[in-house]
Amino acid sequence: TQLLEQSPQFLSIQEGENLTVYCNSSSVFSSLQWYRQEPGEGPVLLVTVVTGGEVKKLKRLTFQFGDARKDSSLHITAAQPGDTGLYLCALPGAYKYIFGTGTRLKVLA
Amino acid sequence: GAVVSQHPSWVICKSGTSVKIECRSLDFQATTMFWYRQFPKQSLMLMATSNEGSKATYEQGVEKDKFLINHASLTLSTLTVTSAHPEDSSFYICSARRTPRVLNTEAFFGQGTRLTVV
Repeated sequence: TQLLEQSPQFLSIQEGENLTVYCNSSSVFSSLQWYRQEPGEGPVLLVTVVTGGEVKKLKRLTFQFGDARKDSSLHITAAQPGDTGLYLCALPGAYKYIFGTGTRLKVLA
Repeated sequence: GAVVSQHPSWVICKSGTSVKIECRSLDFQATTMFWYRQFPKQSLMLMATSNEGSKATYEQGVEKDKFLINHASLTLSTLTVTSAHPEDSSFYICSARRTPRVLNTEAFFGQGTRLTVV
């Protein structure tokens, strides 16, 4: 069973729209990371959140860690075609990483 | 620039042959590297953890004899897909961390290898 469930699974939107991607688990996380993977490439780290309720911003991307540390969200404002890719949340454990089910985003020009 | 390099980026091989994929850490020593498999439009599935100087740790359901992992140096891990079959066709990705066994560190990924078995 997948420890991290992401929703939605797929998302296709027009340039300029806003969107939110969710990462949920029944377990409490000590921390969580978000990665973006472009087609034909490996994932690249976007952010690490460690404190319940924490909010981090990266340009047009806003990341939030739930108060109970069981969920996280990624909000993109005014999406651009360059935001297209697979977004993955991940648990960065000491011995291995566990990745979420992924959200595939396509932003149309 | 890239800190983890994977080679080749893509490979096509005949059914029954073996294919070796290399993963190198470019500016740090990696005692541990991870190998993932990714099916189309899906997330990353951890196959095994490569340990320098010792045996790899395989995830449940991954055939050790099918996917041979060697981590002979602190900067190189290899994954060999033996007797490849069309169902082994996939995108294989490796990753490494600058500081192993520490929480919250960044995982650096290779560019991935697209394997097609015909």
